[in-house]
Amino acid sequence: DSGVTQTPKHLITATGQRVTLRCSPRSGDLSVYWYQQSLDQGLQFLIQYYNGEERAKGNILERFSAQQFPDLHSELNLSSLELGDSALYFCASSVSPGGNQPQHFGDGTRLSIL
Amino acid sequence: DQQVKQNSPSLSVQEGRISILNCDYTNSMFDYFLWYKKYPAEGPTFLISISSIKDKNEDGRFTVFLNKSAKHLSLHIVPSQPGDSAVYFCAAKFGSSNTGKLIFGQGTTLQVKP
Repeated sequence: DSGVTQTPKHLITATGQRVTLRCSPRSGDLSVYWYQQSLDQGLQFLIQYYNGEERAKGNILERFSAQQFPDLHSELNLSSLELGDSALYFCASSVSPGGNQPQHFGDGTRLSIL
Repeated sequence: DQQVKQNSPSLSVQEGRISILNCDYTNSMFDYFLWYKKYPAEGPTFLISISSIKDKNEDGRFTVFLNKSAKHLSLHIVPSQPGDSAVYFCAAKFGSSNTGKLIFGQGTTLQVKP
C-alpha cells in the first residue's frame, strides 16, 4: 500500500461528458502528480501541483484541468471526453516538488469512454 | 521523441537466475533515475533509484547500474523469484530541478518461471 488513494477505481462514461478523478496523497506529501497511461503507452506526465500551486505542466490537453485543495487532495477534471481519452490515470505524490526523491503512485482510475 | 527507451518489451528467466533489464536515455541532462515495478490492476511501485553521481546502487536483490557515457542503465535482480514477474519501468528526471516530472520508458514485462 503506497498510501496514495485514488477514486473511483473505474469510470465508464460517454463521449462529450465530463468526469472528475480524485487523489489523496500520502500523509506528509505536499506535491501531487498526474500521469496518463494509454493502451501500449508508457506513463505520460500531465501536471504537477505543490502545496496548492501548479508547478509543472506536461502534454495536458486544454480540455483537462486539475487543482490541489488546501487539504492537499487533488482533482483531475476531464471534459468534452473523446474515445481517445480512454486510459489509466495515475496520481503520485512526493514530499517536496523536486530533487532526488521517488514518487509514490496510487492504483489508478481506469476511464472507459463508450 | 522517446527520451527514455526500454527496447526489450519482454524477458523470460528461470527462477534463481539473474534478470537484467535495460534502459537507454537520450538527454544527458537527466541526473536521477528510478525503476518501478507494476503488477496488473495496481499502480507502479518504487523499487530503486540512482543519482548520476553514482554508478551503482544496491538494495537487497536489486542493483541498478548507471553508465553515463553510454546513457544506459540496467536493473539486475538476483536471484529472480516468481513473484518478480511484473512490468518494469525505468524513469528519469532532472534531479536538480524544482519540478518532479518523471519521463518513463515503455516498460519491460518480466516473467520468472518456476
